[in-house]
Amino acid sequence: DTEVTQTPKHLVMGMTNKKSLKCEQHMGHRAMYWYKQKAKKPPELMFVYSYEKLSINESVPSRFSPECPNSSLLNLHLHALQPEDSALYLCASSQRDRNTEAFFGQGTRLTVV
Amino acid sequence: GEDVEQSLFLSVREGDSSVINCTYTDSSSTYLYWYKQEPGAGLQLLTYIFSNMDMKQDQRLTVLLNKKDKHLSLRIADTQTGDSAIYFCAERGRDSNYQLIWGAGTKLIIKP
Repeated sequence: DTEVTQTPKHLVMGMTNKKSLKCEQHMGHRAMYWYKQKAKKPPELMFVYSYEKLSINESVPSRFSPECPNSSLLNLHLHALQPEDSALYLCASSQRDRNTEAFFGQGTRLTVV
Repeated sequence: GEDVEQSLFLSVREGDSSVINCTYTDSSSTYLYWYKQEPGAGLQLLTYIFSNMDMKQDQRLTVLLNKKDKHLSLRIADTQTGDSAIYFCAERGRDSNYQLIWGAGTKLIIKP
């Protein structure tokens, strides 16, 4: 099983809403990542968790709040987003944070209205 | 900072070979990757190559690495309509703290 599962697939939220994106993997990977991808652009790294601890935060605004409840789950809590935050949010995992292969989920298409 | 460059578009006829090229600047690069992204979908890892290898073949895919010129290519033999996608080159090295540095992606267009 090389699957990374993200829910929901699509999300529309208002600028005053609070929502969460979820990501799950059962490959025993100990590194998990959040990326943001705008249309026709490469993904941009947001956060890296290694052994359930935040190891990299790429200067992401505090309206994005990651959480890693256990080694299989990764959440991204969203609050007071702006329309320019609309994008595809991708979760990925790898055995370790410097590992060869990173597997990506199908993403959550987020629209902020 | 480190940089990865790719041309934005490639158009080939169905049945021909496609060759997608990538150049990078990180001299400490350890692994180089090719990811495929179909419309509306996530990123699929196609293949990767370790920096001490020159070539890797996997069914219809051939990866060539010229470390001296920092040039990576992906050849897709017998290109099919299902190969239509954006192909991202990415590299990982010490200079990027081992996080992936991505190219802009090459959109592969298949002509019938």
